[in-house]
Amino acid sequence: DAKTTQPTSMDCAEGRAANLPCNHSTISGNEYVYWYRQIHSQGPQYIIHGLKNNETNEMASLIITEDRKSSTLILPHAMLRDTAVYYCIAVSSGTYKYIFGTGTRLKVLA
Amino acid sequence: DTGVSQNPRHKITKRGQNVTFRCDPISEHNRLYWYRQTLGQGPEFLTYFQNEAQLEKSRLLSDRFSAERPKGSFSTLEIQRTEQGDSAMYLCASSLKTGTPNTGELFFGEGSRLTVL
Repeated sequence: DAKTTQPTSMDCAEGRAANLPCNHSTISGNEYVYWYRQIHSQGPQYIIHGLKNNETNEMASLIITEDRKSSTLILPHAMLRDTAVYYCIAVSSGTYKYIFGTGTRLKVLA
Repeated sequence: DTGVSQNPRHKITKRGQNVTFRCDPISEHNRLYWYRQTLGQGPEFLTYFQNEAQLEKSRLLSDRFSAERPKGSFSTLEIQRTEQGDSAMYLCASSLKTGTPNTGELFFGEGSRLTVL
């Protein structure tokens, strides 16, 4: 399973876009990029995932570079309730074993 | 859909005692995962099942830990001879493996917090 690298923490002003980067330079062709977030004292919550193409849903957008070595999760209009730890995970489509790192602690500021 | 249910939510035990946690996944979810989380860390993978088959157990996991999913529905995680270092939140998640393409989205329970005195 490919390792991912994320910044430890980030701040974002309320209402602005939050761009959370993730490096996964050793990702293999059958590994998806998944994003989860964990709000204090709750279980992680699925946000979005992708393989090669950019993806968008009601929560966020996922931009994956052409070489697939990095990706960015975009929260278009960050709200205070988006304050959480965000995890980027490379997941093999063969095993679907999810290995969480330490994630990025995003703080949305009023 | 009542979500993933975990019991008990909180458990305080003395060192050396055995504890068991139960996880009821979302109905029809065939994959079930156990994680352990300590303060400031991400969830640590422990083990996972597809139906009743245990697919993998973390090599870092002590032999004191055992998990079962006997009928492919609920699962139990037992810790024998607990140690203070076992104090953590134990999270269960389930997913539906439907083949390709598979969203593989994990649905987590609220966790069972263990305190070993």
